Amino acid sequence: QQQVKQSPQSLIVQKGGISIINCAYENTAFDYFPWYQQFPGKGPALLIAIRPDVSEKKEGRFTISFNKSAKQFSLHIMDSQPGDSATYFCAASGDNDMRFGAGTRLTVKP
Amino acid sequence: DAGVIQSPRHEVTEMGQEVTLRCKPISGHNSLFWYRQTMMRGLELLIYFNNNVPIDDSGMPEDRFSAKMPNASFSTLKIQPSEPRDSAVYFCASSLGEGFRYEQYFGPGTRLTVT
Repeated sequence: QQQVKQSPQSLIVQKGGISIINCAYENTAFDYFPWYQQFPGKGPALLIAIRPDVSEKKEGRFTISFNKSAKQFSLHIMDSQPGDSATYFCAASGDNDMRFGAGTRLTVKP
Repeated sequence: DAGVIQSPRHEVTEMGQEVTLRCKPISGHNSLFWYRQTMMRGLELLIYFNNNVPIDDSGMPEDRFSAKMPNASFSTLKIQPSEPRDSAVYFCASSLGEGFRYEQYFGPGTRLTVT
């Protein structure tokens, strides 16, 4: 049962461009929304996370936008760099459950 | 800190054999999670421990899978008997806090291949 839908599946961006990845969730009990970054052969690592009491959170070049009424959230990577090339997973969690999106493979071309 | 440690990093075994994956969480973390990652199903939560007690094992696929956490610094995930469809990367993660609302620190994973 997929509870977090992530798009696109893959994304190619030029260096310096903006990368945008979108996620939608179903369970209204979810109240913590992290994004994880995974490089080949490594485990996922937390990139940035948001709770629904704010609509946006920014950390450096990474921004999460959150729309509670639409049950959607997105990751924006500004000034994308080749070193950002990785797979990105959104997730949604609550008291007793955590679900991951299917992942987006981002390639940033020099 | 060394981070979450998993062993082995790679395991190749034949169908029907028992497989044991090991995890050492970050010292001081009181929650531990086992995940499985495949191309088809993505990242799936298998089981969650808090203070060494299994809280939610609803993600464990079937009785062939079992997990234990005998103390705060060690956990195992066992598959007996193993099947080719168990081939995946298995991750262990730990966090400082109860539940799913805290940053989880993932280990490097164990790549399991069952032939």
